[in-house]
Amino acid sequence: DIQMTQSPSTLSPSVGDRVTITCRASQSIGNWLAWYQQKPGKAPKLLIYKASNLESGVPVRFSGSGSGTEFTLTISSLQPDDFATYYCQQYNSSFGQGTRLEIK
Amino acid sequence: QLQLQESGPGLVKPSETLSLTCTVSGGSISSSSYYWGWIRQPPGKGLEWIGNIYYSGSTYYNPSLKSRVTISVDTSKTQFSLKLSSVTAADTAVYYCARLSHGDYVDYWGQGTLVTVSS
Repeated sequence: DIQMTQSPSTLSPSVGDRVTITCRASQSIGNWLAWYQQKPGKAPKLLIYKASNLESGVPVRFSGSGSGTEFTLTISSLQPDDFATYYCQQYNSSFGQGTRLEIK
Repeated sequence: QLQLQESGPGLVKPSETLSLTCTVSGGSISSSSYYWGWIRQPPGKGLEWIGNIYYSGSTYYNPSLKSRVTISVDTSKTQFSLKLSSVTAADTAVYYCARLSHGDYVDYWGQGTLVTVSS
């Protein structure tokens, strides 16, 4: 099985900060990776698919990059609504353990 | 607008079978572009992919759950279902049904339903 590892587990950024979350796969997955945002008590929401494609309606401050085994999700200027937990997922398979953005 | 709604018992006894149904509305469950899946999340923990199904009935399961999981589809009712056998407390979770675009990433989620395993 391919394992997905996210880092860090927790971040405490400030509004306006540039935030980067990393996801590593235990073996190459090409660009078959998605990123989701989840807020407490809610279902996750798709942000990025195929590693770097922005889902319709998602703010352009979100971007994704990478291929093979290393991927990043970047929020260019953190907004108050972005405090949430973020997950990467290998297509149709395992999720990373999540990265929680908490208010400092 | 596509909607997915989970339904089923919120409490299941240990060793019994957990059964959930997802009803799809606002779209076709028989579209060739989508798979339909189940994902769960134990309280306070991360997401775990369970498995998915195509409208034709072909399935793909998480290897760690495969021996206990059955996913089926009823296109006439626009529903798909999850059965998880021999449950324990470790199976307590919010269970989400989902649509997978081209069988790859989840683009629509149900609201989720909490299933507690307890005697």
